[in-house]
Amino acid sequence: EAGVTQFPSHSVIEKGQTVTLRCDPISGHDNLYWYRRVMGKEIKFLLHFVKESKQDESGMPNNRFLAERTGGTYSTLKVQPAELEDSGVYFCASSQSLGHNSPLHFGNGTRLTVT
Amino acid sequence: GNSVTQMEGPVTLSEEAFLTINCTYTATGYPSLFWYVQYPGEGLQLLLKATKADDKGSNKGFEATYRKETTSFHLEKGSVQVSDSAVYFCALSDNYQLIWGAGTKLIIKP
Repeated sequence: EAGVTQFPSHSVIEKGQTVTLRCDPISGHDNLYWYRRVMGKEIKFLLHFVKESKQDESGMPNNRFLAERTGGTYSTLKVQPAELEDSGVYFCASSQSLGHNSPLHFGNGTRLTVT
Repeated sequence: GNSVTQMEGPVTLSEEAFLTINCTYTATGYPSLFWYVQYPGEGLQLLLKATKADDKGSNKGFEATYRKETTSFHLEKGSVQVSDSAVYFCALSDNYQLIWGAGTKLIIKP
């Protein structure tokens, strides 16, 4: 089975520009999560989709961040306009069902650098 | 709110040394506890987990015991290898989210 894939693996943009990150979860996984790790600090939850619906977006830092999951398959996370403090590694994860017996599968992450 | 604190790195050890990476947590209720590992160039992988007090999670020679009395979940391995070099993250579950520690980079020298 193919794992969670994220594109691009790296992105370098200037402050004020727009970047869109993509995550393809494992096929059949209804639950999709976005996390990010900023400046070597702890990983922080951003949001959780169940199919195409946002179940929990309490971790989204501000309205410059927009996540979508049209059709309940892949998801995109757009940052517009990007700021310096948005630099970090953005991880996507998926799971088949909710609960701790359904493990999270993570992608390799997208490293975003805003200059 | 819930939080996880783990020892700062990097931790540098020689091959075959004993490893301990400390992790303590603050939580309401009874969360599940996890250790994830990120090898260079790869994504996060679940290393082990424990779902209730006194449970011991184990995998690949690593172990961690859920200690409610000390609110700890320390990661241990009796004899590390160069291939264990990675970043290790302690985490707890909170309403289907994960609350993470800052990560500990482990460097094993031959």
